[in-house]
Amino acid sequence: DTAVSQTPKYLVTQMGNDKSIKCEQNLGHDTMYWYKQDSKKFLKIMFSYNNKELIINETVPNRFSPKSPDKAHLNLHINSLELGDSAVYFCASSQEGGTEYNEQFFGPGTRLTVL
Amino acid sequence: GQQLNQSPQSMFIQEGEDVSMNCTSSSIFNTWLWYKQDPGEGPVLLIALYKAGELTSNGRLTAQFGITRKDSFLNISASIPSDVGIYFCAGHNAGNMLTFGGGTRLMVKP
Repeated sequence: DTAVSQTPKYLVTQMGNDKSIKCEQNLGHDTMYWYKQDSKKFLKIMFSYNNKELIINETVPNRFSPKSPDKAHLNLHINSLELGDSAVYFCASSQEGGTEYNEQFFGPGTRLTVL
Repeated sequence: GQQLNQSPQSMFIQEGEDVSMNCTSSSIFNTWLWYKQDPGEGPVLLIALYKAGELTSNGRLTAQFGITRKDSFLNISASIPSDVGIYFCAGHNAGNMLTFGGGTRLMVKP
């Protein structure tokens, strides 16, 4: 019954490694997102993706890339992990946004720790 | 870029007390939102405000969208222990991209 799910819940890895976080939604939404929450709990949008376009927050390093095998999934790939990448990453989904806001539903988060 | 300033950063209150928190922005938003994040979970939408001046309630929660479209407040009346969490304001313009405030951490003493 989980609307937006993420795996893994926790990820501990070494600097320089490449890792992926998976996200799946069963809400039939057509837009998915990735957010980063730092140690001070500040939430920042990283990507917004639907089948028409990918919107990238300009502050996101190009080591981060979203990949969508189908409409229900948006995975986050991170290359050459750095210490500063340690954070909680949230996936979210909504119906396609226009001028009006469509509620975003968030996953439970993935806590990434880079050693 | 757009920034939302949320205050206070944290609050420690007695059960039964009322709580007030607010957000201000350097720019205009079309929609203001208030989310709550429980420990180990993702944010959950509490209230959405669509019109300047709008006052909306959801149970013990009341939120208002400022007339200037640059601010909003959230009130929680008669707080209970399960109100503990982090409350975030967020602003939305076109394209469904959200800008979040820094959060208000609420702690309630039984």
